Amino acid sequence: GQQLNQSPQSMFIQEGEDVSMNCTSSSIFNTWLWYKQEPGEGPVLLIALYKAGELTSNGRLTAQFGITRKDSFLNISASIPSDVGIYFCAGLRNTGGFKTIFGAGTRLFVKA
Amino acid sequence: DADVTQTPRNRITKTGKRIMLECSQTKGHDRMYWYRQDPGLGLQLIYYSFDVKDINKGEISDGYSVSRQAQAKFSLSLESAIPNQTALYFCATSVGGSPGDTQYFGPGTRLTVL
Repeated sequence: GQQLNQSPQSMFIQEGEDVSMNCTSSSIFNTWLWYKQEPGEGPVLLIALYKAGELTSNGRLTAQFGITRKDSFLNISASIPSDVGIYFCAGLRNTGGFKTIFGAGTRLFVKA
Repeated sequence: DADVTQTPRNRITKTGKRIMLECSQTKGHDRMYWYRQDPGLGLQLIYYSFDVKDINKGEISDGYSVSRQAQAKFSLSLESAIPNQTALYFCATSVGGSPGDTQYFGPGTRLTVL
């Protein structure tokens, strides 16, 4: 089936460093979403992107909807220990049949 | 209070048992979803419902069934549980429509099938 390739699978960084992760697909999506999941909880929405080329920020987080509509990236600036968690991308398409696909996640570890 | 609630939060059962996981939402959303999450994998869509009379299979519907009892309630059943259905199960809701359809997740149900 269709897949989203999310990379990297895991990252070990020092507090204060910037982080970048991305998702790519062979399919076009009309919405890209980025979620964060902490242990024992459900994914929490961080940023939603609705237009190709859109660049959106939420505090220290910035995400972009790729112009080809097949990719998206998420940046975290000046990481802090509470950024630890698993970050998921998701591509949604409502045309030609509903489709929602999640990446496998990027596990982020931040060392104080 | 949480907008999307799931019960139970944890369940241990035996092979062959029938299990029902329940999801309720107070967001007033028409669309509801059931996903499973396995270690190292993304969320996989089991079933989704765009309104009370609409039920659709997702990527991995075999071995599962759902019931949309009301706009606010969407339950997932495992008719005869098997060990490889051990996973974390999430319910989600969305409002639907354009431009996007952001999904909001419940806290999850951890199911173990022995």
